[in-house]
Amino acid sequence: DTEVTQTPKHLVMGMTNKKSLKCEQHMGHRAMYWYKQKAKKPPELMFVYSYEKLSINESVPSRFSPECPNSSLLNLHLHALQPEDSALYLCASSQDRASSREKLFFGSGTQLSVL
Amino acid sequence: DAKTTQPPSMDCAEGRAANLPCNHSTISGNEYVYWYRQIHSQGPQYIIHGLKNNETNEMASLIITEDRKSSTLILPHATLRDTAVYYCIVRAPPTTSGTYKYIFGTGTRLKVLA
Repeated sequence: DTEVTQTPKHLVMGMTNKKSLKCEQHMGHRAMYWYKQKAKKPPELMFVYSYEKLSINESVPSRFSPECPNSSLLNLHLHALQPEDSALYLCASSQDRASSREKLFFGSGTQLSVL
Repeated sequence: DAKTTQPPSMDCAEGRAANLPCNHSTISGNEYVYWYRQIHSQGPQYIIHGLKNNETNEMASLIITEDRKSSTLILPHATLRDTAVYYCIVRAPPTTSGTYKYIFGTGTRLKVLA
C-alpha cells in the first residue's frame, strides 16, 4: 500500500462552522505533512508531525489546528475560517530518515470552499 | 532554506524531449533536489531526485551541474499525458527535531502539443 488517503475530497463550509480534514497512510511513515495550495500557486508548507509530535508550524493561524492521533492518522481541524482560506489542502507522508531514498508521498487533496 | 527558480511555462512537441530547467544557486552541500509534477489539482506525483550525480529512472532523467547550482529534468519522449505543472524542490537539512522540510519552487507549466 503506497497510498495517502484524504477525506473528504470536497468540502464547503460557512465561516462559523467547525470541520475536520482527515489523512491516513499505512506505509509506516513517521512524518506527516499538511500543505495549503491556492489556485495556480505552489503548495505551501503548514505543519509537519514527526513521530506523532508537532515538529514544524509555519506560523499558521490558530483557526487551523492539527492533530496526530497515531502514526497513521493526521487531522486538520478547521474553525472560524475566512473565505481566503479556500484552497486545496494536501497531506503528505515520508519515512523521515536520513536516507537517499527518502521522498514525499502525497494524497489527492481536499478542495475546501469557505462561504 | 534554499530557494528554486523555474520558468513559468514551456511548450514541447509530442514525441520530443522536454528539458525543464531549475536554478537553485543557494543550495547547500547536503540538500537534495527533487522533482514532482501535478496534474489538474491532483496531489503532486514524485518523479525523481538526486544529490550530486545524474539520475535516471523509468520516468525521467535528472542532470545536476557540477557546482549544483542548477539542474534539468528531462522527459525523453513527451506525451500529451505529460502536460502538467512541474515543481523543482529542495529538501532542506533536518531541523533540530530531525524533520525535513520540502520547499516547493514556483513551478513550470509544461504543455505538450500534438
